Amino acid sequence: QKEVEQDPGPLSVPEGAIVSLNCTYSNSAFQYFMWYRQYSRKGPELLMYTYSSGNKEDGRFTAQVDKSSKYISLFIRDSQPSDSATYLCAMSRSNDYKLSFGAGTTVTVRA
Amino acid sequence: DAGVIQSPRHEVTEMGQEVTLRCKPISGHDYLFWYRQTMMRGLELLIYFNNNVPIDDSGMPEDRFSAKMPNASFSTLKIQPSEPRDSAVYFCASRDFVRGETEAFFGQGTRLTVV
Repeated sequence: QKEVEQDPGPLSVPEGAIVSLNCTYSNSAFQYFMWYRQYSRKGPELLMYTYSSGNKEDGRFTAQVDKSSKYISLFIRDSQPSDSATYLCAMSRSNDYKLSFGAGTTVTVRA
Repeated sequence: DAGVIQSPRHEVTEMGQEVTLRCKPISGHDYLFWYRQTMMRGLELLIYFNNNVPIDDSGMPEDRFSAKMPNASFSTLKIQPSEPRDSAVYFCASRDFVRGETEAFFGQGTRLTVV
């Protein structure tokens, strides 16, 4: 079993829809949770970062972490065609600099 | 800063040949990571360095893979001999943990095809 599991997708939604992305993990030592966005033929770039449990909002993006369930989510409101990309969840333990990535979910927002 | 710079962007080589991938991290960053991305396995950490010293190479798949960081501004990942199953996109990333930065900045990647 992989340390981080991510819904494989792909996901196709109409413009303006809410996109919901999820990851589960098995290592209870993870403390730092991130979402990276990767456009085609580009490197991943950090989108959202959360420490421990809770919610974090940044514009149209909301990240949620539920450590009791070992479950994290990313919501994209009012999705735009420019949001079309692969979204990867990533996490690490405190004081450990290795990021464990999910497989990534490819999202297409149709105009 | 121009970000993390990788070269070449694309590499096509024949099985058995030596391949060298290069990375220039962001100036001042104390951590450097090499990742490999494939459709089947996603993004996998191969090795990472702290202040030019290899810390964890447990992700390096085989002895055919080696990585060096001779100075703070340059790292190489070498595959010798290369095999078709090494075909993937290889990413280099750097991070400034001293300043408490949590973000790892990725390069554009090197797309390797071994035929």
